[in-house]
Amino acid sequence: DSGVTQTPKHLITATGQRVTLRCSPRSGDLSVYWYQQSLDQGLQFLIQYYNGEERAKGNILERFSAQQFPDLHSELNLSSLELGDSALYFCASSVGRAQETQYFGPGTRLLVL
Amino acid sequence: QQQVKQSPQSLIVQKGGISIINCAYENTAFDYFPWYQQFPGKGPALLIAIRPDVSEKKEGRFTISFNKSAKQFSLHIMDSQPGDSATYFCAATNSGAGSYQLTFGKGTKLSVIP
Repeated sequence: DSGVTQTPKHLITATGQRVTLRCSPRSGDLSVYWYQQSLDQGLQFLIQYYNGEERAKGNILERFSAQQFPDLHSELNLSSLELGDSALYFCASSVGRAQETQYFGPGTRLLVL
Repeated sequence: QQQVKQSPQSLIVQKGGISIINCAYENTAFDYFPWYQQFPGKGPALLIAIRPDVSEKKEGRFTISFNKSAKQFSLHIMDSQPGDSATYFCAATNSGAGSYQLTFGKGTKLSVIP
């Protein structure tokens, strides 16, 4: 158990809908990273937050957004969902802004029908 | 553009044998190279990592070999066990960019048979 929690574990929704994925980092970790894992694209970095502020941005679609709250939990919002958004979404946390070891949560499996 | 290329896609090894997974990168700014292990239904977990100032790092049965001039690095699993059966991902990052965002290879599914 990495100490990172993600909810929900599974999510089934329809095209065009909006969903919110939640991540609670390990106690004391200030950085949260979001990654998408799909069969064709593999594991891809989406976005990083450090202590409430956006730190780095990767291959994140404009339909996706994220934020980190004062209690350090983070939410990833996915809107206008398409079939291709079906994937596993992982968050990872680390102690600092640029800290080597990232601890991954168990992921949220999103299925868009 | 795939910045980290990983091979093979799948690997079957006899128990007690050596598993070797290779990765190549393009971005010369990468300066931290971790390997992650992922079991079905779980998130990736850090296995071992290396920086380019050393050519080899060993932790137990796991060894990373690093060739900076060739821009290649590999994971060797000695005395492979059925419990090592998992998907392995190599990754790389440029820590000088102020973030440890990881660029992953596509993964290698390792099966260790008794």
